[in-house]
Formats: sequence, structure tokens, C-alpha cells
Amino acid sequence: AQKITQTQPGMFVQEKEAVTLDCTYDTSDQSYGLFWYKQPSSGEMIFLIYQGSYDEQNATEGRYSLNFQKARKSANLVISASQLGDSAMYFCAMREGHNAGNNRKLIWGLGTSLAVNP
Amino acid sequence: DTGVSQDPRHKITKRGQNVTFRCDPISEHNRLYWYRQTLGQGPEFLTYFQNEAQLEKSRLLSNRFSAERPKGSFSTLEIQRTEQGDSAMYLCASSLPLSSNEQFFGPGTRLTVL
Repeated sequence: AQKITQTQPGMFVQEKEAVTLDCTYDTSDQSYGLFWYKQPSSGEMIFLIYQGSYDEQNATEGRYSLNFQKARKSANLVISASQLGDSAMYFCAMREGHNAGNNRKLIWGLGTSLAVNP
Repeated sequence: DTGVSQDPRHKITKRGQNVTFRCDPISEHNRLYWYRQTLGQGPEFLTYFQNEAQLEKSRLLSNRFSAERPKGSFSTLEIQRTEQGDSAMYLCASSLPLSSNEQFFGPGTRLTVL
């Protein structure tokens, strides 16, 4: 069965520094997609970044990058130059199927609470 | 605003009552998903639709839960005979199946069952 593991319940980082949030996954599928979402205290899920299992390069979106290590089944999120507004819950999620045509349900981790200190 | 909208944002009800939530997806999105999120947990998949067809239901969805998307646009999620364990945030998301990898989420409906 598919599973997402986020082992860091809470993380602290100093403003302007970089932080890595860990995510490991388990699947028997060869084709899958990995997502990171941010959930501020307001509750809305905000998409950050996506990595497909066949993508050879690590995904990047502005200050967010995904450190994808397929053999280790890890998909860590790196946030560079942290800002106070980055304080939120961060969820790693996985979807069966690589192509958007298989845009099915997401399987989620428990999340990591990130606090950015001024 | 052309994002996903949900109504109501908050619902407080007594145990045993029925409740219904509504989700309006982004207009051109034909896939619609319902998730449930309890405190301190990640979201759990409940069900999803492609147009008006309900393609998958989680085993978490007991007989008391029913979801519809009658015209392939908005969707409703009804919980009958609510229990305290139903207290959670109910999240709706929508997507395009072919041109986007992203599921866009609404603000959620927070249900409290007393």
C-alpha cells in the first residue's frame, strides 16, 4: 500500500536561512507523482511543488526545491531564504500515476509544522 | 474570485442531525475531490468525481456519507445522523485531468458535532 512518512512533527528555522523538510514514501508503482502543499492557520491547502517519478531533474519553484532521491524513496522539500510568512504546516503527498491523466486521489503524510523565527 | 469555494465555512450541529456541505470547483475543472482532515492529521481521501460520475469512494466513507455532483459542476457532501467522530475539516479540491498536475483546494468546511 502507498504510504507517506514525515518524521518531523515540528521544525524551527531562523528567518533568511534555509530549511529542509523530510518526506519518505512507499509505493510499488513505477509511475507516481509527489507533491508538497502548505497549510497556513487559515486552513487552505496551497500547492507548492510537484515531482514526477520519471522526471530526471529535481523540481524547483522560486524559493522551493524538491530533493528527489528515487532509490531512497525520499522527496525532501528545501525552502531557501525563509520568511516569516513561511510559518505553516507542510504536507507531503503522493498520487498514483505520473501523468496528469491519472490525476487521482492524493495520499498524505501527517505534516510538519514549521516556525520561522525573526 | 475564480478559486474553489465551499459553503458553509463552519458548521456546528448536534449529534444525530444531518448536514450538507457544498463545493463549487473552478469552472473548467471536471475532476472534483473530497477529503477529510482531523486535528493533527493529514487529509484523508473520501471520494472523487469526473464530471457527474463518482469514480472512487474510500472505505472510510460509511453508509451515512453520500456525495453527489448532479450536473458535473458543484458537488454536495451529506452526512446523515452525525456522530462526534465526524468532527473534522472537510476539504474539496478540483483539477483538470489532462493539463494540470495540481489539485486546487477550497478553504474547507469545519464541522463540529456536539
